[in-house]
Amino acid sequence: DIQMTQSPSSLSASVGDRVTITCQASQDIDKYLNWYQQKPGKAPKLLIYGASNLERGVPSRFSGSGSGTNFVFTISGLQPEDFATYYCQHYDNLPPGFTFGPGTKVDFK
Amino acid sequence: QVQLQESGPGLVKPSDTLSLSCVVSGYFISSSNWWGWIRQPPGKGLEWIGYIDYRGNIHYNQSLKSRLTMSIDTSRNQLSLRLSSVTAMDTAVYFCARMLRFGSFDYWGPGRLVSVSS
Repeated sequence: DIQMTQSPSSLSASVGDRVTITCQASQDIDKYLNWYQQKPGKAPKLLIYGASNLERGVPSRFSGSGSGTNFVFTISGLQPEDFATYYCQHYDNLPPGFTFGPGTKVDFK
Repeated sequence: QVQLQESGPGLVKPSDTLSLSCVVSGYFISSSNWWGWIRQPPGKGLEWIGYIDYRGNIHYNQSLKSRLTMSIDTSRNQLSLRLSSVTAMDTAVYFCARMLRFGSFDYWGPGRLVSVSS
C-alpha cells in the first residue's frame, strides 16, 4: 500500500504569512493528490484536486504543485479564516482505495 | 446545490451493528459518480471506509471489509452503511461524500458522531 507522509504536523503562523505544507508518497502517484481544509466540528473542504487544480469557489491564495512522489501546498498570505487543519489525500485504483495524510494543524503564532 | 445529510443512532452498544444513512439532495445519485464513506475518530485523522457507485459496485477498506455492508438506493437518493460487531475503536464522526475528479471528495455531509458504549 502507498504511504503518505505530511509535514510539518503543526505550524504556527501569523496573518499575512506564506505557509507551505508538503506531502510525500511512498511511490509514484502521478497527480492523484488532493488537499482539504478542516475546521473543528466541520467536514473537510476540498481546496485542490489533481495536485494543482483549484476547486471552484476557493480563493486563489491557495495553491498546489507537484507530481510523482512530492507535493507542495501553499497559502500565499494567510488569512484569519485559514487557521485550520490541512490534509493531503491520495486515490488509487489498484487496489482501490484512499490514503489520507496525517494532517497539518495551522495555528496562530 | 448538492447537499448530503447523514443520519442514524448516535449511540451503539459494543458488538452491535452501526447503521447510517446518507440522503443526497440537489443531485441524482444515479448520475455517474462514486459515493464514499469516511470516518474520523475524535481528535484524530481521516480514514476511508468504502465507496460505491450508482450501479452498486463497491470497494471496501480491507481493514473493515469483513464487518462492512454498503448499499445505494437510487429511488430514495440515499446511501447506507452498516458496520457490524462494533467496538469502542469504531467511535467516530462518520461522513458521506461525493467522489469526483482524481478521487477527490467535493461535497460532504456535516458528519454524524457515533459513539460505541454500553
